[in-house]
Amino acid sequence: NAGVTQTPKFRVLKTGQSMTLLCAQDMNHEYMYWYRQDPGMGLRLIHYSVGEGTTAKGEVPDGYNVSRLKKQNFLLGLESAAPSQTSVYFCASSYRRGRDTEAFFGQGTRLTVV
Amino acid sequence: GQQVMQIPQYQHVQEGEDFTTYCNSSTTLSNIQWYKQRPGGHPVFLIQLVKSGEVKKQKRLTFQFGEAKKNSSLHITATQTTDVGTYFCAGPRAAGNKLTFGGGTRVLVKP
Repeated sequence: NAGVTQTPKFRVLKTGQSMTLLCAQDMNHEYMYWYRQDPGMGLRLIHYSVGEGTTAKGEVPDGYNVSRLKKQNFLLGLESAAPSQTSVYFCASSYRRGRDTEAFFGQGTRLTVV
Repeated sequence: GQQVMQIPQYQHVQEGEDFTTYCNSSTTLSNIQWYKQRPGGHPVFLIQLVKSGEVKKQKRLTFQFGEAKKNSSLHITATQTTDVGTYFCAGPRAAGNKLTFGGGTRVLVKP
């Protein structure tokens, strides 16, 4: 099993450009998350999803949109990139309930907005 | 909203010494999870604590969940260079499994 796969791994954008980050998981997890990680700021939740067709805002949702059309995929979109969105983005997934609710993370996407 | 705070933010440890990092939540947690992120890597799950006062050990790592289920600690004995990284605690909100992470403790080991 591949686990959680993020695409792309690196990207440089110009201010105002748009892009979509793709997250795919093959563990049949109900929950999926998008986090951003900045130096000294830990992991901050952008958006999350508790199931196919549902999304919800996290701590820092402004400037981002998400979609979960299929259970295994969670897309993060930046409509008009800003330098403040330069960060490392992590996708994660987990089961909904039960003993094993730990989150599995992807390898991350390093995004630079110039 | 729920906040999860970790102290210290940085921990410089001499190889062979022990240290403890602490996690405090503003609300009661259904469970607490700990993750480790190596430099340049992604967070990897270490352990989950569910019961009030629970203590779990993984080799040199000891995890504890507070009686009130609002705080937790990670104690590492005889620190090794392989312990370098950032340790995060995370607490799911009672409604759903929205994981809120603490700011992390970055551990640097001096050989």
